[in-house]
Amino acid sequence: EVQLVESGGGLVQPGRSLRLSCAASGFNFDDYAMHWVRQAPGKGLEWVSSISWDSDIIGYADSVKGRFTISRDNAKNSLFLQMDSLRPDDTALYFCAKDHRKYWYNAFFDPWGHGTLVTVSS
Amino acid sequence: QSVLTQPPSVSGAPGQRVTISCTGSSSNIGAGYDVHWYQQLPGTAPKLLIYGNNNRPSGVPDRFSGSKSGTSASLAITGLQAEDETDYYCQSYDSSLTGYVFGTGTKVTVL
Repeated sequence: EVQLVESGGGLVQPGRSLRLSCAASGFNFDDYAMHWVRQAPGKGLEWVSSISWDSDIIGYADSVKGRFTISRDNAKNSLFLQMDSLRPDDTALYFCAKDHRKYWYNAFFDPWGHGTLVTVSS
Repeated sequence: QSVLTQPPSVSGAPGQRVTISCTGSSSNIGAGYDVHWYQQLPGTAPKLLIYGNNNRPSGVPDRFSGSKSGTSASLAITGLQAEDETDYYCQSYDSSLTGYVFGTGTKVTVL
């Protein structure tokens, strides 16, 4: 069974950093692109970032570009999101999600992890 | 910000058919990119409902179907059931943004 388990969320002050992790199991992690999607409390879904199987092709939403960095460690079946210069509007539940191919072009997300909550507040 | 527009809510009686529209533009749906649909029950992660415009993953009832035309797509639920009362989102790729976009979300209410 495919499982994705996010961790690393918490309460952080504006301007500080946080690193999220997503532990993957039940599939060949290095065969698939991966994604981060977030959902602010009571709001809709927002794509954050995507990374190809080999980390060669990476994309970011404009709202996080230059502040967030996606990465992966295929040897450890893990996906990461380094979040710097955090702002209150980054407060959200952050989900990791699996792609269905190696490259994330024209993809859908399946499955999703349960998410980890990031709260940015002073 | 969402670039795919959905109605905030739709409703129907048990057994009825409801449809949810997803309106995009020439840089996403109209450019030929696939549309996918997700169901999100309260307090849970989104679940893939339809992929590639009109394909159902295994385990998704055939009461759910998708279609796409021009710059829009639709999700239809036939034989509406109480368990279908929740939130639904469409998703596609946008070439102008070089990234993914989600719809604004629609809450389905079973009367």
